[in-house]
Amino acid sequence: DTAVSQTPKYLVTQMGNDKSIKCEQNLGHDTMYWYKQDSKKFLKIMFSYNNKELIINETVPNRFSPKSPDKAHLNLHINSLELGDSAVYFCASSALAGVGEQFFGPGTRLTVL
Amino acid sequence: SQELEQSPQSLIVQEGKNLTINCTSSKTLYGLYWYKQKYGEGLIFLMMLQKGGEEKSHEKITAKLDEKKQQSSLHITASQPSHAGIYLCGAPLRTGNQFYFGTGTSLTVIP
Repeated sequence: DTAVSQTPKYLVTQMGNDKSIKCEQNLGHDTMYWYKQDSKKFLKIMFSYNNKELIINETVPNRFSPKSPDKAHLNLHINSLELGDSAVYFCASSALAGVGEQFFGPGTRLTVL
Repeated sequence: SQELEQSPQSLIVQEGKNLTINCTSSKTLYGLYWYKQKYGEGLIFLMMLQKGGEEKSHEKITAKLDEKKQQSSLHITASQPSHAGIYLCGAPLRTGNQFYFGTGTSLTVIP
């Protein structure tokens, strides 16, 4: 059973489009995260979501918005995609917010043309 | 500069050699995590250090935390090709449960 899953694994799209990446965890965790990994492999937190409390990294453009239909899902919506949005996006979850092991999804490689 | 700096940035070693990766924080550490990322995959948790002076080992990997120096080190003994990947330290550094990762160290082990 996959603990944290993401879809799609690859996403290629044109500049200006709107796209979504889905994330689901079956671990019963209370906190979920979205990270962006750039071409230099640097992993940066974008959002953490815990019990309906959203904490946003101040550097994230407001074109990015997380949506959580329930505790097991945290989807990432991106509006008006730009070339610089090309990266690998990882979803993760943990039992407690900011503490303890995080379980990561396999990543979604987004390419904006 | 980043809150968590790792050194070296990349490392190429012969199989069987020992190696050390360092992680230095610009802020007080309240715990430090080590993860490994295989190329093209997600991160895998290695270990968590919570107290100054704490040392943990898992198979051939040992990590230590020096809270006073705001540093952690990850040591691999007798490296194997299976150790290859990107090693990332991580820590909660700010309020609001934000978690930060280090700059990463890419390890290549030559058979």
